[in-house]
Amino acid sequence: KQEVTQIPAALSVPEGENLVLNCSFTDSAIYNLQWFRQDPGKGLTSLLLIQSSQREQTSGRLNASLDKSSGRSTLYIAASQPGDSATYLCAAENYGGSQGNLIFGKGTKLSVKP
Amino acid sequence: EPEVTQTPSHQVTQMGQEVILRCVPISNHLYFYWYRQILGQKVEFLVSFYNNEISEKSEIFDDQFSVERPDGSNFTLKIRSTKLEDSAMYFCASLIGGPQPQHFGDGTRLSIL
Repeated sequence: KQEVTQIPAALSVPEGENLVLNCSFTDSAIYNLQWFRQDPGKGLTSLLLIQSSQREQTSGRLNASLDKSSGRSTLYIAASQPGDSATYLCAAENYGGSQGNLIFGKGTKLSVKP
Repeated sequence: EPEVTQTPSHQVTQMGQEVILRCVPISNHLYFYWYRQILGQKVEFLVSFYNNEISEKSEIFDDQFSVERPDGSNFTLKIRSTKLEDSAMYFCASLIGGPQPQHFGDGTRLSIL
């Protein structure tokens, strides 16, 4: 059974700092790995999706990597801003199940201080 | 940009009552999902729906739960007899298909008294 873990649970950094959020998964037979952002009281906004055949994806100041053999993904945020403050979730979609059944980590709550 | 919309944003219901949560997925999407998030816990998969039938459901999705796509636009989650432990944020999501991201609504906060 796939399990997704995110460390740390919370992170506080000063504005401008580069940072890395970590995600690990137990079953390497994934179809894709997604990173989401969740603001308080809001839904989930998809940030990046990495297919199982890919190693990384980039969007603006965000870069996500995937290493299936070690069961890890990282989300790198460059030059962090106060507006990046949110909870970041990673979710794995496995092969073999129905498409789109996402298994989520508990998230990393990021606070960027001005 | 098209988005998934959910209503109501907050629903308060007495234990034992039926509740229906409503979602309008993105119009050209083919796959539909319900997830829930109990306060302080992970987002959990409940059910997926494709081609007018349930594709997969989790252990949480027992006989008290049902889903429907009554017309070409709405997707509903019904809880027949609510329990205190059903209190959670319920998210609807849709997917066009293939290796594309799911799009989530803002959720319905369900409070059972």
